[in-house]
Amino acid sequence: EAGVAQSPRYKIIEKRQSVAFWCNPISGHATLYWYQQILGQGPKLLIQFQNNGVVDDSQLPKDRFSAERLKGVDSTLKIQPAKLEDSAVYLCASSLSGSPEVGELFFGEGSRLTVL
Amino acid sequence: GDSVTQMEGPVTLSEEAFLTINCTYTATGYPSLFWYVQYPGEGLQLLLKATKADDKGSNKGFEATYRKETTSFHLEKGSVQVSDSAVYFCALSLDYKLSFGAGTTVTVRA
Repeated sequence: EAGVAQSPRYKIIEKRQSVAFWCNPISGHATLYWYQQILGQGPKLLIQFQNNGVVDDSQLPKDRFSAERLKGVDSTLKIQPAKLEDSAVYLCASSLSGSPEVGELFFGEGSRLTVL
Repeated sequence: GDSVTQMEGPVTLSEEAFLTINCTYTATGYPSLFWYVQYPGEGLQLLLKATKADDKGSNKGFEATYRKETTSFHLEKGSVQVSDSAVYFCALSLDYKLSFGAGTTVTVRA
């Protein structure tokens, strides 16, 4: 079974530029998550989708971050304009269930962003 | 808010040594508790979980017991191998939200 695919693996941009990350979840997984992991910290949830609807985006900085999940499958996370503090690894995860207690989260390898 | 605090690393051990990584939690309700592991070059993956007090999660020789009285979920392994070198994350889930600790880097030397 194919895992969660993310691209690009690495991206370096100047501050105020824009960047987009793509995620393809495991086939059949209804729930998709985007996490931000800053160096030395644990992953922080940015947004959670159930199919193509948003379940939780309370920690997404909406003035610069946006995310969409077209047709309830692939998802794109965009940052515009980027700030230095956005340097982090962006993790995508998917699960069969919307409840972590019930459905295990499967993570991709992440997209590492460096903002100069 | 709901959160976990885990032992700071890095931790360096010799093969066959005993490993403990402490994790305590703060939650308004009754969370489920997890340990996730990230091996070098790989994505995060679930190591074990416990969904209620006194439950013991176990996998790959690792164990953790959900202790409500001490709000803890410490990870233990009796005899580590070089292949256990990784970053370990304690996490809790409440109200459909999964929150992670900062992670503990473990290096096992041959």
